[in-house]
Amino acid sequence: DAGVTQSPTHLIKTRGQHVTLRCSPISGHKSVSWYQQVLGQGPQFIFQYYEKEERGRGNFPDRFSARQFPNYSSELNVNALLLGDSALYLCASSLGLTGELFFGEGSRLTVL
Amino acid sequence: TQLLEQSPQFLSIQEGENLTVYCNSSSVFSSLQWYRQEPGEGPVLLVTVVTGGEVKKLKRLTFQFGDARKDSSLHITAAQPGDTGLYLCAGDNSGTYKYIFGTGTRLKVLA
Repeated sequence: DAGVTQSPTHLIKTRGQHVTLRCSPISGHKSVSWYQQVLGQGPQFIFQYYEKEERGRGNFPDRFSARQFPNYSSELNVNALLLGDSALYLCASSLGLTGELFFGEGSRLTVL
Repeated sequence: TQLLEQSPQFLSIQEGENLTVYCNSSSVFSSLQWYRQEPGEGPVLLVTVVTGGEVKKLKRLTFQFGDARKDSSLHITAAQPGDTGLYLCAGDNSGTYKYIFGTGTRLKVLA
């Protein structure tokens, strides 16, 4: 069985650009969460979606947005990129709203 | 703002030594999880503790949840180079549908 898959794995953008990151959860999982992990720190919660509805939002500006599709895959969008947005963006899926999180390998974003 | 503070931040030890990593908060969590993350990969769940005072053992790893469910510890016996990685605790504050991760402890075990 495939685990959580994320794309792209690495990308480089310049300040002011926009980025879209994609996540496919484990088959049967209905919840997708997004986390930002800055080098050397623990992951910070950005969003959780369950059954295509936003169920939680962390302390991130409105430049960050996300959505979940009918097949439970998800996209994270970041507008007007700043240097400080450089990080590993992790997607995690779970069966329900709570329970074990299964993480993908992440998308490493570098903003120049 | 809920915070999970981990200590120590960095730990470098020789193979065969024992170590303990701590995860502390002023908030109560309904459950607490420990993850290990290796470079280039996402965190992988090691254990979930849900009952105050609970102790779980996973081979050489022993996890304890504090009686008040505000803190936890991870003890590794006879550390091996394969234990090297970033150890993260994460608290589940039921009702907010999000996991709060700790600051992380980076462990290096030297052969």
